[in-house]
Amino acid sequence: ETGVTQSPTHLIKTRGQQVTLRCSSQSGHNTVSWYQQALGQGPQFIFQYYREEENGRGNFPPRFSGLQFPNYSSELNVNALELDDSALYLCASSLGGDSNQPQHFGDGTRLSIL
Amino acid sequence: DAKTTQPNSMESNEEEPVHLPCNHSTISGTDYIHWYRQLPSQGPEYVIHGLTSNVNNRMASLAIAEDRKSSTLILHRATLRDAAVYYCILRDGFKAAGNKLTFGGGTRVLVKP
Repeated sequence: ETGVTQSPTHLIKTRGQQVTLRCSSQSGHNTVSWYQQALGQGPQFIFQYYREEENGRGNFPPRFSGLQFPNYSSELNVNALELDDSALYLCASSLGGDSNQPQHFGDGTRLSIL
Repeated sequence: DAKTTQPNSMESNEEEPVHLPCNHSTISGTDYIHWYRQLPSQGPEYVIHGLTSNVNNRMASLAIAEDRKSSTLILHRATLRDAAVYYCILRDGFKAAGNKLTFGGGTRVLVKP
């Protein structure tokens, strides 16, 4: 079975720009969650999509937005980039709304803001 | 979300057991205890989860205190590949929507050859 894949692996942007990060979920998984991980810290929940609808959101401003497509792949969009947005962005997929289903993570996109 | 408390770091020798403690004194009756680990330069990886009874799988064992206010992840024979940050996370088992993982700082495990 194919695991969670994210693209690109690394990205450099400047302040004020916009970025789109992509995630292909594990085969059969219909739920995608996005996390931001700053250096030396644990991942922080951004939002989750279930069957193409946003299904929960963490404490992130509206300039962080997302999409889930019919094939359950997903995008994370960040507008008006700030220096503090420099982080590892992780995507995780899981099956259904059962809280006890493990989340399967990709290896992330490392975003650097100059 | 209920909080967990873990030591910042632990050291172990290769092929010896590792016991990783986690305190969760404010756990609710519907919270499951989940463990994830994050190897260097990788995304987190699910390890194990449980509610009340001790659990075993191919990766580890989870021992849960009778009052559920603490738990211990047990790696039976540490290998160099087990060097990672281990996260103890509480998840509400009855929450249908937005079942996020709330990560704390975790425990960094160093395995010495």
